[in-house]
Amino acid sequence: DIQLTQSPSSMSASLGDRVSLTCQSSQGIGNYLSWYQHKPGKPPKPMIYYATNLADGVPSRFSGSRSGSDYSLTISSLESEDTAIYYCLQYDEYPWTFGGGTKLELK
Amino acid sequence: EVKLLESGGGLVQPGGSLRLSCAASGFTFADFYMSWIRQSPGKAPEWLSFIRNKANSYTTEYNPSVKGRFTISRDDTQNVLYLQMNTLRAEDTAIYYCAKHRLRGYFDYWGQGVMVTVSS
Repeated sequence: DIQLTQSPSSMSASLGDRVSLTCQSSQGIGNYLSWYQHKPGKPPKPMIYYATNLADGVPSRFSGSRSGSDYSLTISSLESEDTAIYYCLQYDEYPWTFGGGTKLELK
Repeated sequence: EVKLLESGGGLVQPGGSLRLSCAASGFTFADFYMSWIRQSPGKAPEWLSFIRNKANSYTTEYNPSVKGRFTISRDDTQNVLYLQMNTLRAEDTAIYYCAKHRLRGYFDYWGQGVMVTVSS
């Protein structure tokens, strides 16, 4: 199975900070990667698909990028509502697999 | 408004069976691929299975972790997605979500989830 390694596993940042979360794939997956935001008691919410495309209704402060097998989710200016766990998902090869998550908190 | 509502969860003994349902509304259910995804306490989500639409012959894909024990199906006349789960194990304890595909790997709507607990 393809392994996705997310880093850091947790982090804290201040309001207005630029934040980047990373997801590294164990093998090439092209752009077949999406990002999901998960808050307690709610289902995951799609944020980015096909590595760089913003999902419907997602604020423009979120963006996705790729450099080789490294994928990033960037928040240009952190807001309080962005605190959550973020997961990446590869859907290039079955079984589709999620990364272990990055927990983002406010400092 | 798109809605997905799971049901059928609960407490089951190891080796037992459950059938989960996901009632869909607010979109043309028959047109879309659908998936089941679960999340065990404190762990990352795990994609389990998806079923294609009629145009793609209702073909299915499974995670090897559940292949042979779980079966995904759908009833487009009733707008319901199912997950038949057999030979349940303690490690199957999780919240189970159904999710609608917008595109491959892009789950644009999720249900609220249903809890399945496998314990004696």
